[in-house]
Amino acid sequence: GENVEQHPSTLSVQEGDSAVIKCTYSDSASNYFPWYKQELGKGPQLIIDIRSNVGEKKDQRIAVTLNKTAKHFSLHITETQPEDSAVYFCAASRSGGQNFVFGPGTRLSVLP
Amino acid sequence: GAVVSQHPSWVICKSGTSVKIECRSLDFQATTMFWYRQFPKQSLMLMATSNEGSKATYEQGVEKDKFLINHASLTLSTLTVTSAHPEDSSFYICSAFRTSGGDEQFFGPGTRLTVL
Repeated sequence: GENVEQHPSTLSVQEGDSAVIKCTYSDSASNYFPWYKQELGKGPQLIIDIRSNVGEKKDQRIAVTLNKTAKHFSLHITETQPEDSAVYFCAASRSGGQNFVFGPGTRLSVLP
Repeated sequence: GAVVSQHPSWVICKSGTSVKIECRSLDFQATTMFWYRQFPKQSLMLMATSNEGSKATYEQGVEKDKFLINHASLTLSTLTVTSAHPEDSSFYICSAFRTSGGDEQFFGPGTRLTVL
């Protein structure tokens, strides 16, 4: 089955700097890759996603890149703000938006 | 965006009792809902896929007789933890799959279960 790895497990950046989180997946049939932000005691919130027919997607300060050949995808957050501090999870699915396998998560701390 | 609610947001129960958690999609219909479990500082682990009008599909290692799932309508799925034990204490999160306007899962706010 699918296995998703995520690095780093923790990341601290200064406010205004960029943050990059990387995920790798094992199932070449996976075709949908969302990124979720989870704040303490809350459910995950989708922040951006990408499908396998696209190499890059951007939404304001957030971007995701996908390398299907290498089977990895990355989340890029620019001009980080303290409110970006949270745990970020990547996921992979071979059935569109269903049957996710989540990565282990990255705890991002943005220092003021 | 679409809204998914869960009730209760937290519950404390005695060992051996059963607890029901509700998951509702408030502004869309969901043929498929998912139930996840998340232990402290860990990732979300899919427990089961709930399909409206049919039996749930459980992931390997998840006891179907212990975690009863009912998806009786297009907006409601319930998870019942039967004969709960302290090791069942966890954060339970549901999601609803919306197909209109693009396939996407919307997550609920989670339910914190503590079994004494």
